Amino acid sequence: NAGVTQTPKFRILKIGQSMTLQCTQDMNHNYMYWYRQDPGMGLKLIYYSVGAGITDKGEVPNGYNVSRSTTEDFPLRLELAAPSQTSVYFCASRRTGTGNPNEQYFGPGTRLTVT
Amino acid sequence: AQSVTQPDIHITVSEGASLELRCNYSYGATPYLFWYVQSPGQGLQLLLKYFSGDTLVQGIKGFEAEFKRSQSSFNLRKPSVHWSDAAEYFCAVGPPNQAGTALIFGKGTTLSVSS
Repeated sequence: NAGVTQTPKFRILKIGQSMTLQCTQDMNHNYMYWYRQDPGMGLKLIYYSVGAGITDKGEVPNGYNVSRSTTEDFPLRLELAAPSQTSVYFCASRRTGTGNPNEQYFGPGTRLTVT
Repeated sequence: AQSVTQPDIHITVSEGASLELRCNYSYGATPYLFWYVQSPGQGLQLLLKYFSGDTLVQGIKGFEAEFKRSQSSFNLRKPSVHWSDAAEYFCAVGPPNQAGTALIFGKGTTLSVSS
């Protein structure tokens, strides 16, 4: 299993541009998450999904959109990039069921700079 | 409000010395508790987790953590630090059920190892 994969690893955007951060997991996990990590601030939840077709906002959803058309994929969309969205973005997943209370598996991250 | 506090932003330890990283949480009930490590430029790797039972849990790379309910703490320890342990460490809590909500992270502690 590749686990959780994210593309691209690095990206530089100009203000106002748009892009999609890709996230794929091959563990058949129902739950998927997008976090952003800013220096000294830990990780903050942007959006999450409990299954295909179901998404919900996290703590910092403004400026982002998500979709979940399949179990495997959970892309994050930035429509009008702003400097405040400069961050490292992590995708994570976990499965449901007993014996696995909330252990999340993380992708390697996407480092985004908006100038 | 639910929160995780890591009081130490940066710690420097000599190689071979012991290490303790502090973590305190505020939660309505006893949550599930995690420690993650992030090496420079990498994603998050799970070090260990506590769900229930024995309050001293063992993890990978020689780390252990002790859950103290009375102090709402989950401190990470290692008896002898190696230079490769230099990284950022995050304490996280999750709800004690199977809900889809995400983990709450502390702001992290950066560990430097001196020779």
